[in-house]
Amino acid sequence: DVKVTQSSRYLVKRTGEKVFLECVQDMDHENMFWYRQDPGLGLRLIYFSYDVKMKEKGDIPEGYSVSREKKERFSLILESASTNQTSMYLCASSRQGREKLFFGSGTQLSVL
Amino acid sequence: TQLLEQSPQFLSIQEGENLTVYCNSSSVFSSLQWYRQEPGEGPVLLVTVVTGGEVKKLKRLTFQFGDARKDSSLHITAAQPGDTGLYLCAGDGSGTYKYIFGTGTRLKVLA
Repeated sequence: DVKVTQSSRYLVKRTGEKVFLECVQDMDHENMFWYRQDPGLGLRLIYFSYDVKMKEKGDIPEGYSVSREKKERFSLILESASTNQTSMYLCASSRQGREKLFFGSGTQLSVL
Repeated sequence: TQLLEQSPQFLSIQEGENLTVYCNSSSVFSSLQWYRQEPGEGPVLLVTVVTGGEVKKLKRLTFQFGDARKDSSLHITAAQPGDTGLYLCAGDGSGTYKYIFGTGTRLKVLA
């Protein structure tokens, strides 16, 4: 069974902390994505990667960075967490080309 | 910037009723997907439509892509409590890997 695994289901951090959100997929997909989901706003793309060590900014990259050192792993980094980054974070992967997205279960991040 | 607006935002109906959810944009999409998200889970793909005017059926769910490929609708016949969830449309944006997601419709079907 195909799987996208996010390391934490819930995370509580303090303002100013550095936060790492990890995502691993076991489908050998080329593309990986990080979205944040907020009520009434749908899913907004933060960053995506179409290959190892490649990354592109999505619609809301400010305050975030990403790392893709291995094909199966895509990390989202909040360099200095702020309260407006409290949100549900969803990782997804897909094959090369315009294929369906496979999502992880999400990480609910609260920044206090 | 490409945007997808969904309506209604919330919908609460009785089991057995029919409903339609709309996904609209001023932009043209080469394809459009519909996802359902249940509490505590990520979205799961229901269908992809790629041709203007295309209609696809998935049991009691009927999906239509507008002729101009700017809008789509999801019609559910005889809704069941198992249909409860957040429905999201997603458009293939500008030939890139970027999927533009709609604002979502939260459906609750009461037994």
